[in-house]
Amino acid sequence: KQEVTQIPAALSVPEGENLVLNCSFTDSAIYNLQWFRQDPGKGLTSLLLIQSSQREQTSGRLNASLDKSSGRSTLYIAASQPGDSATYLCAVEYGRDDKIIFGKGTRLHILP
Amino acid sequence: EAQVTQNPRYLITVTGKKLTVTCSQNMNHEYMSWYRQDPGLGLRQIYYSMNVEVTDKGDVPEGYKVSRKEKRNFPLILESPSPNQTSLYFCAILGLGNEQFFGPGTRLTVL
Repeated sequence: KQEVTQIPAALSVPEGENLVLNCSFTDSAIYNLQWFRQDPGKGLTSLLLIQSSQREQTSGRLNASLDKSSGRSTLYIAASQPGDSATYLCAVEYGRDDKIIFGKGTRLHILP
Repeated sequence: EAQVTQNPRYLITVTGKKLTVTCSQNMNHEYMSWYRQDPGLGLRQIYYSMNVEVTDKGDVPEGYKVSRKEKRNFPLILESPSPNQTSLYFCAILGLGNEQFFGPGTRLTVL
């Protein structure tokens, strides 16, 4: 069964620290992987999309990596700020059946 | 920029009363999908559509119907809503490069 797991479920870190969020998937035959943030009561905002042929993508203080062979992706956030507090979700798209599966998210709290 | 709209944004209804949540997009994208989001369960795909008149079941299709008569609209239909369908619903599209864009969400309560 295709599953996407995000650990930890919640994380608190002091402002200014660099941090890494993890996403793992059981079926490595992915088409792409996308990271989102979701603020409480709001919709999802796309952060980074990594195609299966890519190893990483960068946007500002965010860097996402992809290792298909080990079934893992990481989202690196540099110099964290209180405004980064949100839930971060990863989603895997499988090309063979066009299904998209989400992890349950990591709830991040940046302490001022 | 891709835009996805959903209506209504909030809805309270009673068991068994048919309802429709609309979803429309402004960019003529082919792939559209519906998700529900529940505490502890995350986002789960209900149905998706690759193109007009093409729809497929996601992970949790029971109790839902969809239609895709035209490219821009993808309504979610609950023929006989039940309390376990109380949830936050999101419509999404796949834009250029297969990046997903989400609508603002519809919070549904079934009494």
